[in-house]
Amino acid sequence: EAQVTQNPRYLITVTGKKLTVTCSQNMNHEYMSWYRQDPGLGLRQIYYSMNVEVTDKGDVPEGYKVSRKEKRNFPLILESPSPNQTSLYFCASSRQGIQPQHFGDGTRLSIL
Amino acid sequence: AQSVTQLGSHVSVSEGALVLLRCNYSSSVPPYLFWYVQYPNQGLQLLLKYTTGATLVKGINGFEAEFKKSETSFHLTKPSAHMSDAAEYFCAVGDSGSARQLTFGSGTQLTVLP
Repeated sequence: EAQVTQNPRYLITVTGKKLTVTCSQNMNHEYMSWYRQDPGLGLRQIYYSMNVEVTDKGDVPEGYKVSRKEKRNFPLILESPSPNQTSLYFCASSRQGIQPQHFGDGTRLSIL
Repeated sequence: AQSVTQLGSHVSVSEGALVLLRCNYSSSVPPYLFWYVQYPNQGLQLLLKYTTGATLVKGINGFEAEFKKSETSFHLTKPSAHMSDAAEYFCAVGDSGSARQLTFGSGTQLTVLP
């Protein structure tokens, strides 16, 4: 089954404690992206990757890091999380560029 | 830079009534346009897309949208609402030139009344 898998689905943590949200896709897609969803703001893009070792900033990259060492994985790293990063996060992938994206089920992060 | 405006953060319709969700965009190049639906506690699913060609686009679950360049609009419609259509709907625009970034609207929550 084609899918984008995010882990964890839920996480409550404290300010400053480094965390990583994993994202993996099994469709051999070149393009992957991270979004955060906040009420009234829709989805905002954090980072995207056009292929292995190629990443670029989206609209809200501050406080986040990503890496793309393998085609299937695109982890999101919060080196020093802060409360304003409390949000619902989605990973997405597509065969090429912004062509219809497959979304994961989301990761709800709470930073206390 | 591209942007998307969805008019109406909440829309309520009666079951069987017409659904109309509005989306206006701005883009300096010919846009790619998408509508996604999000059911509670789930990720987004593609409803339909416009890239090139026919301006009236049909999607899943009986939804369709029309690309109107002169009005910079891409409104989503369905002739007859069903209870299962209750969800949040997002319009999104992409830059056809670079195909790198997708910009989403703020979403419209659709309620279907019995």
